[in-house]
Amino acid sequence: SQQGEEDPQALSIQEGENATMNCSYKTSINNLQWYRQNSGRGLVHLILIRSNEREKHSGRLRVTLDTSKKSSSLLITASRAADTASYFCATDAVDYKLSFGAGTTVTVRA
Amino acid sequence: EPEVTQTPSHQVTQMGQEVILRCVPISNHLYFYWYRQILGQKVEFLVSFYNNEISEKSEIFDDQFSVERPDGSNFTLKIRSTKLEDSAMYFCARTSGGIAKNIQYFGAGTRLSVL
Repeated sequence: SQQGEEDPQALSIQEGENATMNCSYKTSINNLQWYRQNSGRGLVHLILIRSNEREKHSGRLRVTLDTSKKSSSLLITASRAADTASYFCATDAVDYKLSFGAGTTVTVRA
Repeated sequence: EPEVTQTPSHQVTQMGQEVILRCVPISNHLYFYWYRQILGQKVEFLVSFYNNEISEKSEIFDDQFSVERPDGSNFTLKIRSTKLEDSAMYFCARTSGGIAKNIQYFGAGTRLSVL
């Protein structure tokens, strides 16, 4: 299975702090993606990192990928209350189907 | 990117009944997907649909499930005889084109409650 597994399962931080979550997967990947899900809503794509990339930035997001360890991390800097959501890593394969991890629930306290 | 629209937002049905969940993606995209998320669990792949045919399906997608694109625009997921364990959020997704074809755009989901 190419499913990603995130840790921690839940994270509670103060507004302004950084949030870091990790993802591990089992087999070779084409790309690794991070998605956000607000409560009761669909998933929103955040960032994609290719298997030949090691780090990528997008606004307050920073993603790293270590293919030798089959792991990735997502860092959200200077968190805001609006960042409260569940975050999922997903690996994609043939026909681009996504295999999701269990997710990290992030709560940002004002 | 234009959104994917799913209807209904919430469907309540009796066990054994048939349900049809609908998705309206943009008609010129080729890859479509259905995913399921049981409450509190991870999002699970059900089926991918490419060029009007099933491309791949998971173990969950048994004979009770079917997908169609009946009019070239709407994309439907049918569950023939619902079970209690089919209660979940069902998400439709499509890929974008070009170099971003790995990125998927999800609808808001249909919450299916089987009683």
